[in-house]
Amino acid sequence: AQTVTQSQPEMSVQEAETVTLSCTYDTSESDYYLFWYKQPPSRQMILVIRQEAYKQQNATENRFSVNFQKAAKSFSLKISDSQLGDAAMYFCAYRPYYNTDKLIFGTGTRLQVFP
Amino acid sequence: NAGVTQTPKFRVLKTGQSMTLLCAQDMNHEYMYWYRQDPGMGLRLIHYSVGEGTTAKGEVPDGYNVSRLKKQNFLLGLESAAPSQTSVYFCASSTQGTPSFDEQYFGPGTRLTVT
Repeated sequence: AQTVTQSQPEMSVQEAETVTLSCTYDTSESDYYLFWYKQPPSRQMILVIRQEAYKQQNATENRFSVNFQKAAKSFSLKISDSQLGDAAMYFCAYRPYYNTDKLIFGTGTRLQVFP
Repeated sequence: NAGVTQTPKFRVLKTGQSMTLLCAQDMNHEYMYWYRQDPGMGLRLIHYSVGEGTTAKGEVPDGYNVSRLKKQNFLLGLESAAPSQTSVYFCASSTQGTPSFDEQYFGPGTRLTVT
C-alpha cells in the first residue's frame, strides 16, 4: 500500500528566509503525481504545487519549488522569501497515475513564520 | 462561480442522531469526494463518486452513506452518529479521472462534533 510520511510536525522560519519541508512516500508504481497542499487557519485546502513522476524537471511556482528525488522517493517543498501569509499546515499528497480516487495525504507540517 | 460549497459549516450532534452534509459544485465536475480530517492526520477518503448516480467506497466508509442524485451535489449521511465521527469533513471535486491530471478543488470544510 502507498504511504506518505511527513516527519516534521512543526517548522518555523523568519520572514524573508527560506524553509524546506520534507516528504517521503512509498510506492511500487512508476507513474504517479505528487502534490503539496496548503491549509491556512481558514481550513481551505489550496493546491500549492504538483509534480508528475515522469518529469525529471522539478516543478516551480513563484516562491515555491520542489526537490523531487524519484529513486529516493523524496519530495520536499522549498519556500523562498517566506511571508507571514505562508503560515499554515502543509500536506504532501500522492496520487497513482491510474486511480483518481486515491489521493493519499501525509500527516502535515505546521509552518510558523516569524516577523 | 462559487466553486465547492459545503452546508453546514458547523454542527453538534448527540450520539445516535442522524444528519446529512451537503456538498455543491458549480464547475460541472464529474468526480466528487468526501474526506475526513482528524487531529494529527491527513485527509482520509470516505466515499467518492465518478458521475451522477454513482458512488464508491474510499478508505474509511463505515458509518457513512452517500448519494449523487444530481451531478452538482454530493450528500454525505450519518445515520447514527458516534463520537468517533467527530471530525472536520471536506468535500472536493475534479474534472475527470485518469490518466490526465485533475486537480481536486476543496470546499471550506464542516466541523462536526458528536457528544
